[in-house]
Amino acid sequence: DTAVSQTPKYLVTQMGNDKSIKCEQNLGHDTMYWYKQDSKKFLKIMFSYNNKELIINETVPNRFSPKSPDKAHLNLHINSLELGDSAVYFCASSPMDRGNSPLHFGNGTRLTVT
Amino acid sequence: AQSVTQLGSHVSVSEGALVLLRCNYSSSVPPYLFWYVQYPNQGLQLLLKYTSAATLVKGINGFEAEFKKSETSFHLTKPSAHMSDAAEYFCAVSDESFQKLVFGTGTRLLVSP
Repeated sequence: DTAVSQTPKYLVTQMGNDKSIKCEQNLGHDTMYWYKQDSKKFLKIMFSYNNKELIINETVPNRFSPKSPDKAHLNLHINSLELGDSAVYFCASSPMDRGNSPLHFGNGTRLTVT
Repeated sequence: AQSVTQLGSHVSVSEGALVLLRCNYSSSVPPYLFWYVQYPNQGLQLLLKYTSAATLVKGINGFEAEFKKSETSFHLTKPSAHMSDAAEYFCAVSDESFQKLVFGTGTRLLVSP
């Protein structure tokens, strides 16, 4: 199947831990993103990468570190997790980093920090 | 900065009734506009997009949206609601750098039999 896939689907962890979320797309897209959806369903961009190069870093705490080993993968590592990090994190991709380019989303990773 | 306002966090309709979800945008440049749908426990799927061609845009599942520059609106409509349309709908606008999308707060569509 062609898709954006992210793992794990659910992640429950304690404050202070470090965790990673992985994302892969096999659509051949050049650009990948991480979005955060809070409990009110508000979606906000965190990062975007174009061909492994960081394009957008939307004033996210530096506890969050994205890594793009190649243009098909964009992982998100989170250090010293806090309660406020609980949210659904969506990976997305698009053919190019232009605003008329539609996003293709993964199914999300629900992170719960206790 | 670009922004999107979706009026009504919840909209309830009966099956077979008209669906109207409102979206107003603010943009300093000619915008690119999108509607996405999110079903429970899933990611967002593109319904339709406006990229300055026709002002009436047809999307998937019978949805369409009309770009009205004078009203800075991009409302989503469907003539006849189906139970399967129940979901969260997001309007989005590209930012002025055209490098990212700015999403509205979403409207939950509830469809009753």
